[in-house]
Amino acid sequence: GDSVTQMEGPVTLSEEAFLTINCTYTATGYPSLFWYVQYPGEGLQLLLKATKADDKGSNKGFEATYRKETTSFHLEKGSVQVSDSAVYFCALSMGNNRLAFGKGNQVVVIP
Amino acid sequence: ETGVTQSPTHLIKTRGQQVTLRCSSQSGHNTVSWYQQALGQGPQFIFQYYREEENGRGNFPPRFSGLQFPNYSSELNVNALELDDSALYLCASMSGLAGGDDRKQFFGPGTRLTVL
Repeated sequence: GDSVTQMEGPVTLSEEAFLTINCTYTATGYPSLFWYVQYPGEGLQLLLKATKADDKGSNKGFEATYRKETTSFHLEKGSVQVSDSAVYFCALSMGNNRLAFGKGNQVVVIP
Repeated sequence: ETGVTQSPTHLIKTRGQQVTLRCSSQSGHNTVSWYQQALGQGPQFIFQYYREEENGRGNFPPRFSGLQFPNYSSELNVNALELDDSALYLCASMSGLAGGDDRKQFFGPGTRLTVL
């Protein structure tokens, strides 16, 4: 079935460092791709999305580009802040608003 | 911004019991989806309700059932609880279904269910 794979393990980095979280997907068609963020004690929030190949989603300094040739949607931010500490989930949907999520990556930014 | 509320916040049950979780969708939203998030995992789609009718179901057994009410609030019911049902249960609401994935979903903070 349709699925998303995120890189293993938490990510710990210093403030102002460059962040990359890898995400690849498997789908029978052309999914929409999403990044969601989950702050402690809060609900999942949509961070950004892309609905077709070569689209770039961006929000709050985060970016991700829909790469059909590599079936990837890696999340990047050029300079992280302590407030970016959260769990980040990559997800896909096949046009029916039913999200398939990856396992998530805990990001810890150290001052 | 979300406006999606869930109750209760936490719940402890024992194996074999039944549980009902509740979700109030954001004002104007007529579509509610439920997800199960086990510890250390991403959320998994359980089912979706649109205008009081089930509109799609994930790979969950029939002991997971739901309802949506005329005011579009929703319930998730789980019968014959098992230890593996321990998880954070999330609901998400949005307005309508048309427009593919352009509709933004708003998630509630979840209900933490522990089955002993």
